[in-house]
Amino acid sequence: DVKVTQSSRYLVKRTGEKVFLECVQDMDHENMFWYRQDPGLGLRLIYFSYDVKMKEKGDIPEGYSVSREKKERFSLILESASTNQTSMYLCASHHGAANSPLHFGNGTRLTVT
Amino acid sequence: QKEVEQNSGPLSVPEGAIASLNCTYSDRGSQSFFWYRQYSGKSPELIMFIYSNGDKEDGRFTAQLNKASQYVSLLIRDSQPSDSATYLCAVKNNTDKLIFGTGTRLQVFP
Repeated sequence: DVKVTQSSRYLVKRTGEKVFLECVQDMDHENMFWYRQDPGLGLRLIYFSYDVKMKEKGDIPEGYSVSREKKERFSLILESASTNQTSMYLCASHHGAANSPLHFGNGTRLTVT
Repeated sequence: QKEVEQNSGPLSVPEGAIASLNCTYSDRGSQSFFWYRQYSGKSPELIMFIYSNGDKEDGRFTAQLNKASQYVSLLIRDSQPSDSATYLCAVKNNTDKLIFGTGTRLQVFP
């Protein structure tokens, strides 16, 4: 069974702090993704990665960066957290084949005060 | 026009009834279609996927795809209160990105 693990379930940070959200998958998936989910807006793609050291902007990359130094790990970085980044953050991965589904981590609920 | 559209609901059905959830998409090049279930406070979990026109059945769930009409649906037979959740439709085109709808909230009442 695919396991996608996010390091924190809940986080509370202050405005201006640098925040790291970590995600690890154990199925050797090539593709990894970071989404945020907000009521009424659904899942929105922040960044994704097709391979180690490779990254692509999603629909809402502003205020975020990512790092993929190893295939199994994909980190989301908030350079200077702001209150409008309070959200549920979901990491996901998949193989890359056309019908390969996304497998999600349990999510990190981030509150920025 | 949104890329993937779903009625936000809530869709309320009695226990034992058939729940019908619908999704339309705008990109005719879309190739794969996924239905996820998300319970409140939890992450989405895959229910099923479909990529050929027609029906695909898995237990109480049936996915239906009509590419000409750019329409995909999910039927849940014999609905149970435990089916109460938000159902997300997701569409993959010729890239590896999934585009999600905002979800339909289903309520199954006893």
